[in-house]
Amino acid sequence: KNEVEQSPQNLTAQEGEFITINCSYSVGISALHWLQQHPGGGIVSLFMLSSGKKKHGRLIATINIQEKHSSLHITASHPRDSAVYICAVRSGSEKLVFGKGTKLTVNP
Amino acid sequence: GAGVSQSPSNKVTEKGKDVELRCDPISGHTALYWYRQSLGQGLEFLIYFQGNSAPDKSGLPSDRFSAERTGGSVSTLTIQRTQQEDSAVYLCASSFDFGNTEAFFGQGTRLTVV
Repeated sequence: KNEVEQSPQNLTAQEGEFITINCSYSVGISALHWLQQHPGGGIVSLFMLSSGKKKHGRLIATINIQEKHSSLHITASHPRDSAVYICAVRSGSEKLVFGKGTKLTVNP
Repeated sequence: GAGVSQSPSNKVTEKGKDVELRCDPISGHTALYWYRQSLGQGLEFLIYFQGNSAPDKSGLPSDRFSAERTGGSVSTLTIQRTQQEDSAVYLCASSFDFGNTEAFFGQGTRLTVV
C-alpha cells in the first residue's frame, strides 16, 4: 500500500463545476504539499500546509491531521485548470513522498 | 536566475553511455532535491543536498547513479552505463531552507535511453 493515496485517479468536469481531489496518507507528517503539473511537465507548488486550511484565488486546501486526510478544492473550474494534481507529504526527513496524482480535465 | 533551471531539457542516449544532467537552483537556496518521474508513474525521490553534502542518498536506484553539488549551487546527476529503465523525466527542486518551506521545481530533463 502506498504511503500516499489520491482519489480520484482521473476526473473530468465541465467548466464552472466545483472540484474536489482527495489525499490520504498513512504516516505521521510534518507538512503536506499540493503540486500542479501541466501537460508540458512543469511542476508548480500550490500549497504547503500542516494544519487547517489555506486559500489562494479559486483554490482551497484543507488538512485533517487526526484523520490523515487532505482535500484540494477548485471553485468555478476553468479549462486552464486542466493538469495533474499531486499530493506529497514530508514525514520527518527532507524527502517528499508523492501520491500518483489526479489527472483533471475541465471541458469548456 | 528567476527559477530552477535544468539542462538539457531533452536527452536521447544509447544504452550503455553515461549521461550528466544539470540543475541550477534558485540563487540562495540551500536545499536541492532530485526526483524522477517514469512514464505512467508517480514522482520518486532520488537524493537531496544540504549545501554541498548529501545526507540522504537512499533514493538512488543503483550504484550507476551519483550526484554532486559544488559551491552550494549547481548540481549534477550522473548516470553511468545507462539502461532503458533509466528513461524518465528527472526533476530538480530547490528551497530556501530545510523543513517546511516551499519547493520550486525545474522543468525537468526528459531522458530517453535507446
